[in-house]
Amino acid sequence: QQQVKQSPQSLIVQKGGISIINCAYENTAFDYFPWYQQFPGKGPALLIAIRPDVSEKKEGRFTISFNKSAKQFSLHIMDSQPGDSATYFCAARVGANNLFFGTGTRLTVIP
Amino acid sequence: GAVVSQHPSWVICKSGTSVKIECRSLDFQATTMFWYRQFPKQSLMLMATSNEGSKATYEQGVEKDKFLINHASLTLSTLTVTSAHPEDSSFYICSAISFGAGFSYEQYFGPGTRLTVT
Repeated sequence: QQQVKQSPQSLIVQKGGISIINCAYENTAFDYFPWYQQFPGKGPALLIAIRPDVSEKKEGRFTISFNKSAKQFSLHIMDSQPGDSATYFCAARVGANNLFFGTGTRLTVIP
Repeated sequence: GAVVSQHPSWVICKSGTSVKIECRSLDFQATTMFWYRQFPKQSLMLMATSNEGSKATYEQGVEKDKFLINHASLTLSTLTVTSAHPEDSSFYICSAISFGAGFSYEQYFGPGTRLTVT
């Protein structure tokens, strides 16, 4: 059973546009929601993370929106650049336990 | 942020042989490390949780006798794929938890090891 559901599977965005990736979860015990960026042949790198006591967190061009009642969270990449082309994974966990990953979104930003 | 390294970054071995992959936390001590497996264009699948000084906890469906995990020190965990077969070919990624101030913690990932079994 997929603990964290992610969509879309792939996304193509024009340079300068906004990329939006969505995730949903069921386990209300999750207390930490990170997003990871992974380039081919590399390990995932933490991009930005949020805890359920806030509804939004922004770091540079990256913003997480969190809707606790709907059990959904999303990543927004503003002014998308070709260098942002990568696979993005949302995740969730309880305390210091293992992460449950979404299925991933392959983002392609075309010039 | 904290750095996790893996060695080797890629390895090719013959079917039936064993391969050891090392995972090190370079600038922090990690009591807990995780091992993941990732197939092409798929998500990360947790294989096992490794705790320093104790036996690893394996996820359902992961053969503990085939994937031997040893977390002998606070900075090193190893994954040994025993009697490797072509279906074991995959991208193996480790991660380690780093504890910060005020009960905060973050999970850092290694760069991964590409295993190809011929």
